[in-house]
Amino acid sequence: GDSVTQMEGPVTLSEEAFLTINCTYTATGYPSLFWYVQYPGEGLQLLLKATKADDKGSNKGFEATYRKETTSFHLEKGSVQVSDSAVYFCALGAGNTPLVFGKGTRLSVIA
Amino acid sequence: KAGVTQTPRYLIKTRGQQVTLSCSPISGHRSVSWYQQTPGQGLQFLFEYFSETQRNKGNFPGRFSGRQFSNSRSEMNVSTLELGDSALYLCASSLAPHTGGLRYEQYFGPGTRLTVT
Repeated sequence: GDSVTQMEGPVTLSEEAFLTINCTYTATGYPSLFWYVQYPGEGLQLLLKATKADDKGSNKGFEATYRKETTSFHLEKGSVQVSDSAVYFCALGAGNTPLVFGKGTRLSVIA
Repeated sequence: KAGVTQTPRYLIKTRGQQVTLSCSPISGHRSVSWYQQTPGQGLQFLFEYFSETQRNKGNFPGRFSGRQFSNSRSEMNVSTLELGDSALYLCASSLAPHTGGLRYEQYFGPGTRLTVT
């Protein structure tokens, strides 16, 4: 079945550092790909999405490019802030099936 | 516009008891999905409802059930609670269910933290 694998955390960075969180997927067909963020005590919020190969999703300085050839959707941000500390989830949606989530990566940014 | 609300936010139950969790979707949203979030298993899909009908069901035992009302509000019930049911239960709503290539954004509530002792 469909699956998502993302890098294990936690990831600890200093403010203004470059962030990469790796995400790879396995799916039949052509899934849509998503990154969600979960701040402490809250539900998930959609951060960005891409619906077809070579699409780049972007929001709040975060970017991810749908790479069909490497089945990847890595999340990047050029300069992280303390307020970016959260858990990040990669997810895919294909056909009529529910979203499939990765295990999540906890990011801590220290000042 | 108010977001997805879930009640209660926190719950402590004893093994063998049953529990009912409630979810009110965003106004106008007709599709509601439920997920269980645990540190070990991550986010796992429980079920999805649309127009009071269950459209999809995850791989959970029959102790887990749900329903949706005509106003799109949804409840999930867990009977004969086990220690392993301790988790954060998340509800998400969307305008409509995903169909083929069209996926509406899911908006998540803050969750209900269930602790089973």
